[in-house]
Amino acid sequence: ILNVEQSPQSLHVQEGDSTNFTCSFPSSNFYALHWYRWETAKSPEALFVMTLNGDEKKKGRISATLNTKEGYSYLYIKGSQPEDSATYLCASADSNYQLIWGAGTKLIIKP
Amino acid sequence: DGGITQSPKYLFRKEGQNVTLSCEQNLNHDAMYWYRQDPGQGLRLIYYSQIVNDFQKGDIAEGYSVSREKKESFPLTVTSAQKNPTAFYLCASSIWGREQFFGPGTRLTVL
Repeated sequence: ILNVEQSPQSLHVQEGDSTNFTCSFPSSNFYALHWYRWETAKSPEALFVMTLNGDEKKKGRISATLNTKEGYSYLYIKGSQPEDSATYLCASADSNYQLIWGAGTKLIIKP
Repeated sequence: DGGITQSPKYLFRKEGQNVTLSCEQNLNHDAMYWYRQDPGQGLRLIYYSQIVNDFQKGDIAEGYSVSREKKESFPLTVTSAQKNPTAFYLCASSIWGREQFFGPGTRLTVL
């Protein structure tokens, strides 16, 4: 994989349900994986920066895991709420700390 | 309040004109970045600066220019050489190697 790929492109989830989506990135020359949340009419906001294989980070109902050997990261949201509606971006950094960005997963929570 | 600001929010340009987008931060960050976003694509790096008086080309620098005369400021000029300048432009700053903090963006439209 030469680019950062996120799937799915968009996702509709019922309020209260849990969900997850994927970020795939080049596993060679890996340095760090970033997750950001971008709400409509706001600026992107950092969620997590992860560097170690097997790392798991958590912020409230949102958590992320990292597999640097196979080049993927999962973002999980437990018990989705309307305020979780946003586009979730991931970006992979190489050893020169150049970030390559995915196109994002647009999450829509249905009340 | 610490933060990063961009102006203007919306900008209209006639073909053949140069325009300058402003980006200011008071987070005391050494590193600053300019990204471009087009529909359905990830953020693409135009220019970045790790320190005052120094900047580097990103992936799509052609048709753009920047300056970094002050730590707080990183203006981006979109020149007439940029073939397709209509896009959403985001500025960010960070401690080098750490999560990035974004401004609200400028939407540029070429008439």
